[in-house]
Amino acid sequence: QKEVEQNSGPLSVPEGAIASLNCTYSDRGSQSFFWYRQYSGKSPELIMFIYSNGDKEDGRFTAQLNKASQYVSLLIRDSQPSDSATYLCAVRRGSQGNLIFGKGTKLSVKP
Amino acid sequence: GAGVSQTPSNKVTEKGKYVELRCDPISGHTALYWYRQSLGQGPEFLIYFQGTGAADDSGLPNDRFFAVRPEGSVSTLKIQRTERGDSAVYLCASSLAPRLGGDTQYFGPGTRLTVL
Repeated sequence: QKEVEQNSGPLSVPEGAIASLNCTYSDRGSQSFFWYRQYSGKSPELIMFIYSNGDKEDGRFTAQLNKASQYVSLLIRDSQPSDSATYLCAVRRGSQGNLIFGKGTKLSVKP
Repeated sequence: GAGVSQTPSNKVTEKGKYVELRCDPISGHTALYWYRQSLGQGPEFLIYFQGTGAADDSGLPNDRFFAVRPEGSVSTLKIQRTERGDSAVYLCASSLAPRLGGDTQYFGPGTRLTVL
């Protein structure tokens, strides 16, 4: 079992809809959770981090964490074609610095 | 301000050759990370420096891979006797000192390594 699992997609949503991206992780010791966006041919850029159970909102983005279910999600409201990218879920154990990434989910927002 | 820079942006080499990849982190960032990313995969951790020392090198796949950060700033990833399977994009990231949650790793543009 991979440490961080994501559905590779592609996930296709119409412009203006809500895109829901999901991620599960296997290590119960994971304490910090990150969502990165990666455009084709570019490097990852951080969208959000979360480390407490519940929801965290930042503009059109909401991260949700459920440690009991070992589940993290990212909701994108009012999806725009410019949101089309691969979304990478990453986790970190405790105070260690390195991130463990999933394979990413490719999102396509159709005009 | 300047972000993380990596050189070269592309490197083509032949199987068995030695390569060096360079990373220049954001000024003031004490933590530096190397990852590599193969097509269709997420970044895979290689090594993490806190200052000059390697805090965690558990991701280095074998002893052909080595990295240094002698002055706590620029880092060089060195790969000996390259193999075709080493072909990937090598990403460098830097951050302020890690703490529980909240620190952001800023990624450089990567070096695309192709081993023929």
